[in-house]
Amino acid sequence: QKEVEQDPGPLSVPEGAIVSLNCTYSNSAFQYFMWYRQYSRKGPELLMYTYSSGNKEDGRFTAQVDKSSKYISLFIRDSQPSDSATYLCAMSAGYGQNFVFGPGTRLSVLP
Amino acid sequence: GAVVSQHPSRVICKSGTSVKIECRSLDFQATTMFWYRQFPKQSLMLMATSNEGSKATYEQGVEKDKFLINHASLTLSTLTVTSAHPEDSSFYICSARIAGDSTDTQYFGPGTRLTVL
Repeated sequence: QKEVEQDPGPLSVPEGAIVSLNCTYSNSAFQYFMWYRQYSRKGPELLMYTYSSGNKEDGRFTAQVDKSSKYISLFIRDSQPSDSATYLCAMSAGYGQNFVFGPGTRLSVLP
Repeated sequence: GAVVSQHPSRVICKSGTSVKIECRSLDFQATTMFWYRQFPKQSLMLMATSNEGSKATYEQGVEKDKFLINHASLTLSTLTVTSAHPEDSSFYICSARIAGDSTDTQYFGPGTRLTVL
């Protein structure tokens, strides 16, 4: 079993749809959870960051962490064609430990 | 958010030459920086962890004599690809770690596309 699992997609949705992206993990020591957006031929951009369990909202983006289920989610409301990218989840057990990334989900938002 | 720059963004070189890529944290100090390699439509592959003032830690299978990493200051890490060959052509991305109370994340640079002819 991989340390972090993520459906690679591709995921295609119509413009305006609500998108749900998910990752599961096996290491209960993870405390820090991140979502990155990566456009083709660009470096990943940090979208959302969450420490421990709970929800965090920023504009159209909501990140959820359920440590009891070892499951994290990113929701995108009112999706736009400009949201078309690869979304990577990442997590860490803390300073001195490596970050572990999911393989990424390719999202296409169709106009 | 924190900003990480990379230079150059794109480089083309002849086989056998060396190429240096710079990674800078512009508005914060980073004791730890990471270097990744990414092939088209594939995930990030961690090459090495660079700690300021000490030797880099390389991942298994990454040749440390070929990929020289220097982290001489809290805002600059460099990756030198020595005696580059066509198989070294790839997208190289650096990142800088920010860690503290309730914080542990990394910010990425825009990447450098290396093409070796």
